[in-house]
Amino acid sequence: NAGVTQTPKFQVLKTGQSMTLQCAQDMNHEYMSWYRQDPGMGLRLIHYSVGAGITDQGEVPNGYNVSRSTTEDFPLRLLSAAPSQTSVYFCASSYSNQGYEQYFGPGTRLTVT
Amino acid sequence: KQEVTQIPAALSVPEGENLVLNCSFTDSAIYNLQWFRQDPGKGLTSLLLIQSSQREQTSGRLNASLDKSSGRSTLYIAASQPGDSATYLCAVGGSRGSTLGRLYFGRGTQLTVWP
Repeated sequence: NAGVTQTPKFQVLKTGQSMTLQCAQDMNHEYMSWYRQDPGMGLRLIHYSVGAGITDQGEVPNGYNVSRSTTEDFPLRLLSAAPSQTSVYFCASSYSNQGYEQYFGPGTRLTVT
Repeated sequence: KQEVTQIPAALSVPEGENLVLNCSFTDSAIYNLQWFRQDPGKGLTSLLLIQSSQREQTSGRLNASLDKSSGRSTLYIAASQPGDSATYLCAVGGSRGSTLGRLYFGRGTQLTVWP
């Protein structure tokens, strides 16, 4: 199993550009989520999904969109990048949202200039 | 809102010492608690998962305890090694409604073990 994979590893965007961060898992997990990690702060939840076709907002959803058309993939879209979105983004998955261990991807380091 | 605090923020010890990292949380209505390790520039590696009904979990030199009623967890590292140097993150899992599956993270303890 590859586990949770994320692409790209690094990305530099200009303000106003859009892009999609990819996340995939091969463990047949129903629950997937996106977090951002900023210096001096704990990881914060952006969006999550409890299964294909079902998504919901987390703590810091503004400026981001998600969709879940398959169990395996959960892409995160930045609609119009802003410097405040400079961060490290982590995707995570677990069997369900009922207390199972969560597995994290290697992260995408995004810089918006 | 759930708040998670980790103490100390940083710790530097010589090799061989036994260590205790602390984690506290404000809302005892949790599903579970998970300890992670993060190396610089890398992702999170799960170390231990404790369900809310459990008191402790052990893996090798690591032992994590949970006292849900007092909102505390400790991660005990025995006979520390330089390879243990990393940031250790504590995260509690929400147990109600829209918080199900959500992890609330502390800011981490940065551990340095020197030879």
